[in-house]
Amino acid sequence: GPKVLQIPSHQIIDMGQMVTLNCDPVSNHLYFYWYKQILGQQMEFLVNFYNGKVMEKSKLFKDQFSVERPDGSYFTLKIQPTALEDSAVYFCASSHNWGAYEQYFGPGTRLTVL
Amino acid sequence: GQQVQQSPASLVLQEGENAELQCNFSTSLNSMQWFYQRPGGSLVSLFYNPSGTKHSGRLTSTTVIKERRSSLHISSSQTTDSGTYLCALEREEGTGSKLSFGKGAKLTVSP
Repeated sequence: GPKVLQIPSHQIIDMGQMVTLNCDPVSNHLYFYWYKQILGQQMEFLVNFYNGKVMEKSKLFKDQFSVERPDGSYFTLKIQPTALEDSAVYFCASSHNWGAYEQYFGPGTRLTVL
Repeated sequence: GQQVQQSPASLVLQEGENAELQCNFSTSLNSMQWFYQRPGGSLVSLFYNPSGTKHSGRLTSTTVIKERRSSLHISSSQTTDSGTYLCALEREEGTGSKLSFGKGAKLTVSP
């Protein structure tokens, strides 16, 4: 089936540093998402993105977070500066459209903030 | 409050037994997805099932919109089925799409 790729698979950084998580969505998809899962906890929606804009973000999407997809390249999640509570697995997803369209998920990036 | 309720939270079976996992939701539904989450954390998409019944090998998913529930049935369970099963609801909303996940059902299948 369609594949979403995420780079890197693991990232360890010191608190206060900047980190960028990269997502390569399914090639003809137009809608992109980030989800966050703290170890042992529930998967939570962070943000969705379409046509260069954030459509909706949750309370977990702090001011230190930003997303972009410059020139159709990677869809990125940037955290600057990072905090200890940002340690989690971040999943990227994409869909062809929104509203009753399947979302395809990447394998996740495990972020550890020390 | 929690919009997606999964039950049971955990289930222990002997190999060969069947499993029935439930997902109940409190809001209107656009679609429902079921995932298997490997112990390492990666997700395997099992079903995209907005309504009705779908089959894939030993797995069956049934979503009944009027009753606000979706189920995942695993027949003749195998030890390799062990892991966490997640349901995710896409609600009807006007500001784009997002999935609300259940807390997961941890399945353990013993030989």
